[in-house]
Amino acid sequence: AIRMTQSPSSFSASTGDRVTITCRASQGISSYLAWYQQKPGKAPKLLIYAASTLQSGVPSRFSGSGSGTDFTLTISCLQSEDFATYYCQQYYSYPPLTFGGGTKVEIK
Amino acid sequence: QITLKESGPTLVKPTQTLTLTCTFSGFSLSTSGVGVGWIRQPPGKALEWLALIYWNDDKRYSPSLKSRLTITKDTSKNQVVLTMTNMDPVDTATYYCAHPRESMYYFDYWGQGTLVTVSS
Repeated sequence: AIRMTQSPSSFSASTGDRVTITCRASQGISSYLAWYQQKPGKAPKLLIYAASTLQSGVPSRFSGSGSGTDFTLTISCLQSEDFATYYCQQYYSYPPLTFGGGTKVEIK
Repeated sequence: QITLKESGPTLVKPTQTLTLTCTFSGFSLSTSGVGVGWIRQPPGKALEWLALIYWNDDKRYSPSLKSRLTITKDTSKNQVVLTMTNMDPVDTATYYCAHPRESMYYFDYWGQGTLVTVSS
């Protein structure tokens, strides 16, 4: 199974900050990577697929990049509603589909 | 508009079998490329993919749980059922059903999730 490792596992940031979350795959996955946002008590929400394609309705302050084994999710100007946990997921090799361990973005 | 909703017991005893139903609308499991998947999340932990079933009855399972899982569909009822045998307290989690983008393997619509606690 392909292991997905996210870093950091959590961090604090302020509204207006530019933040970057990293996801690393244990082997190359081309661009078969999705990012999700999850708020407490809610289901995950798809943000980005194919590593860099924004899901319809997702604000343009979210962006994704990378291919192969290293990927990043960037929020260009953090808003209050962006404080959440973010997960990456590979869909290059399956089964199993695998998720990263999550990155929690907290208010500083 | 695609919606999914999970239903099933909130509490099961160790060794029992869990049966969860996903009832969906806005798409049909008789349409080529369409599937429904299950993902779970233990409290405070990460997401774990469990199983997927497709319009053609192709089924895929997490290798680590394959011996315990069965996924089936009832196209006429717009439902997908997941059974998990021999439940253990470590299986305590919120269980989500989700719709994968057609012919892809990431999930663009999710149910609200249902918390299942395994305890005697």
